[in-house]
Amino acid sequence: GQNIDQPTEMTATEGAIVQINCTYQTSGFNGLFWYQQHAGEAPTFLSYNVLDGLEEKGRFSSFLSRSKGYSYLLLKELQMKDSASYLCAVRDRNYQLIWGAGTKLIIKP
Amino acid sequence: IAGITQAPTSQILAAGRRMTLRCTQDMRHNAMYWYRQDLGLGLRLIHYSNTAGTTGKGEVPDGYSVSRANTDDFPLTLASAVPSQTSVYFCASSDSTGGGANVLTFGAGSRLTVL
Repeated sequence: GQNIDQPTEMTATEGAIVQINCTYQTSGFNGLFWYQQHAGEAPTFLSYNVLDGLEEKGRFSSFLSRSKGYSYLLLKELQMKDSASYLCAVRDRNYQLIWGAGTKLIIKP
Repeated sequence: IAGITQAPTSQILAAGRRMTLRCTQDMRHNAMYWYRQDLGLGLRLIHYSNTAGTTGKGEVPDGYSVSRANTDDFPLTLASAVPSQTSVYFCASSDSTGGGANVLTFGAGSRLTVL
């Protein structure tokens, strides 16, 4: 079966750096996405990786290793507004998105 | 309207009743999707539509139906609601269905409780 694994919850301190990991086992691979979802709101797109390596976008970076079935989202200079759930999703060989359950990130002052 | 509008925002429904969740987008996106989100689980695809006039089944289609009469609207109907359909429902759209950074835009969600 297809599977996306992420930690359920993480805690970090304002101003620090946090890395949220995602491992996947899917039928084929056509890209990996990270979305942010604040409590009670809709998911919003953060990043897309299809080739191995690091994609940087401001305070957020996303890394992909296709051979290891592994990605991480790196958040720098954490702000209180970064408290949210972070969803990892992989597009399989049929271009269907398989979603992880999300990682709830709690930022403490 | 900017983006995707879902209605109702929340609803409490008696088991056995029929319910339609509405979804309208103004971005002229070809593809639209319905997901349900339950605690501890990833988003699960219920039904999708790659273009107006076509629909397809997702991972958890049983008990749900959709139609896509035009580009903008993609309603989801529960013919006879059951308590296991208690969930938050998200409608989403995207510009295409192929490769590339085919980003999904989500509506604000509809919280449905079936008693």
